[in-house]
Amino acid sequence: EVQLVESGGGLVKPGGSLRLSCVASGFTFSNAWMSWVRQAPGKGLEWVGRIKSKTDGGTTDYAAPVKGRFTISRDDSKNTLYLQMNSLKTEDTAVYYCTTENNGGMDVWGQGTTVTVSS
Amino acid sequence: DVVMTQSPLSLPVTLGQPASISCRSSQSLVYSDGNTYLNWFQQRPGQSPRRLIYKVSNRDSGVPDRFSGSGSGTDFTLKISRVEAEDVGVYYCMQATHWLTFGQGTRLEIK
Repeated sequence: EVQLVESGGGLVKPGGSLRLSCVASGFTFSNAWMSWVRQAPGKGLEWVGRIKSKTDGGTTDYAAPVKGRFTISRDDSKNTLYLQMNSLKTEDTAVYYCTTENNGGMDVWGQGTTVTVSS
Repeated sequence: DVVMTQSPLSLPVTLGQPASISCRSSQSLVYSDGNTYLNWFQQRPGQSPRRLIYKVSNRDSGVPDRFSGSGSGTDFTLKISRVEAEDVGVYYCMQATHWLTFGQGTRLEIK
């Protein structure tokens, strides 16, 4: 069964940092393009960024609101995706989902992990 | 950025009746490879989103055939032929031709 399990969410003060993890199983993680998508409380979905597979260059892309503050990385030996979030703002408060990308969209989603940025 | 505009934002539907959601993009979603990367997602209350449709009209595995997608260029539609109780939730379109952007969401409820 294809599965994505996020962890690492929590409460952090503005300006602080947090690292989210996403452990993948049931598919060949190293071949997958992976994305993070977030959802603020009561709001819609917002793409955060992606990392391509190493065979496709392993490059990253970010949405404008997080560029320069967030970093996506992967450890294919551990089947794990990461989201390093620095200089957090209150508007980063959201549920963060880890997703795979296939056929031009997100086809598998994790259960999400909640990040709250508040003083 | 490509802006995705959905309508309606709220959709009350009687069980067994059809439903239709429109999604319009601010520019053409035809990519240089000839594909149109338009997706539809369903988010049931308290759950993670689930993709229903990719590349305009292709259903994901396990998606009931009462869901169908159509459209081209900048205008797209998700149709549910006969709404069931389990279809309650929020539906999002998303384009992946020019980076990735989502529509605002359409809340489907049973009348």
